[in-house]
Amino acid sequence: NAGVTQTPKFQVLKTGQSMTLQCAQDMNHNSMYWYRQDPGMGLRLIYYSASEGTTDKGEVPNGYNVSRLNKREFSLRLESAAPSQTSVYFCASSIGQGSSGANVLTFGAGSRLTVL
Amino acid sequence: QQQVKQSPQSLIVQKGGISIINCAYENTAFDYFPWYQQFPGKGPALLIAIRPDVSEKKEGRFTISFNKSAKQFSLHIMDSQPGDSATYFCAATDKLIFGTGTRLQVFP
Repeated sequence: NAGVTQTPKFQVLKTGQSMTLQCAQDMNHNSMYWYRQDPGMGLRLIYYSASEGTTDKGEVPNGYNVSRLNKREFSLRLESAAPSQTSVYFCASSIGQGSSGANVLTFGAGSRLTVL
Repeated sequence: QQQVKQSPQSLIVQKGGISIINCAYENTAFDYFPWYQQFPGKGPALLIAIRPDVSEKKEGRFTISFNKSAKQFSLHIMDSQPGDSATYFCAATDKLIFGTGTRLQVFP
C-alpha cells in the first residue's frame, strides 16, 4: 500500500513560472492537506480539504491555489512562482478532522521546490 | 502568529540519556496534542499523542507530560538511542498547528 504519493519529488523553477504539485492517497481518507516546511519555521498549513468538494485556507495561502479533484487527489498550484516559495512541500491526509484519532496525519515524502 | 512555541531548536544527547522537548500553547480551546517524528528525507509520522484529560501518557521509551494549567506539554525520550536522531514536532488541536521543530542528535 502506497499511502500518500507526491509528485514531483524535486523541481526547479524560474521566477514567474507556474507548476502543479500532485498528491494522491489510497487510504480512503476524507481530509487532505498541503504544508510547507522551512528551516526554523516548522510545518505551516497552506490549504486543506476537510472533505471532497471543500477547500479552505490555512496559515499561509497567498500565492497558492488548490483543487480537490476527487476523494483521492489534492493538487497544489503555484501560478507565478517566487523565490519566497522555495521550500519543501508536504501533502498529508487523515480519516477526518476533529480532536481525536481521526485527524492523525499520514504524510507523503515531500516535494523539494527551488525557485530561482 | 505562532500559537505553539517549541524549544529547544536543537538538542544533543548522549546515548542512554534523557531527551526533553518542550512546547507551550496559547489557546485554551486546544484539546489534542500529538508529537510527530521526522527522519531526513521523509515526511513526519505520528509518534505519540495526548488529550488534556490526562497528565501523562507513556509508550515505550516515549512519554508525554501535560500541564493544563501552565498550557505546556513536553516529550521525554528515555534511554535515548542513535536511532532516535530526528526532528520532532509538537502540534495542537484539530487543524494541527505545528511547533517549529527540534532537531535531536543522539551520539553513541
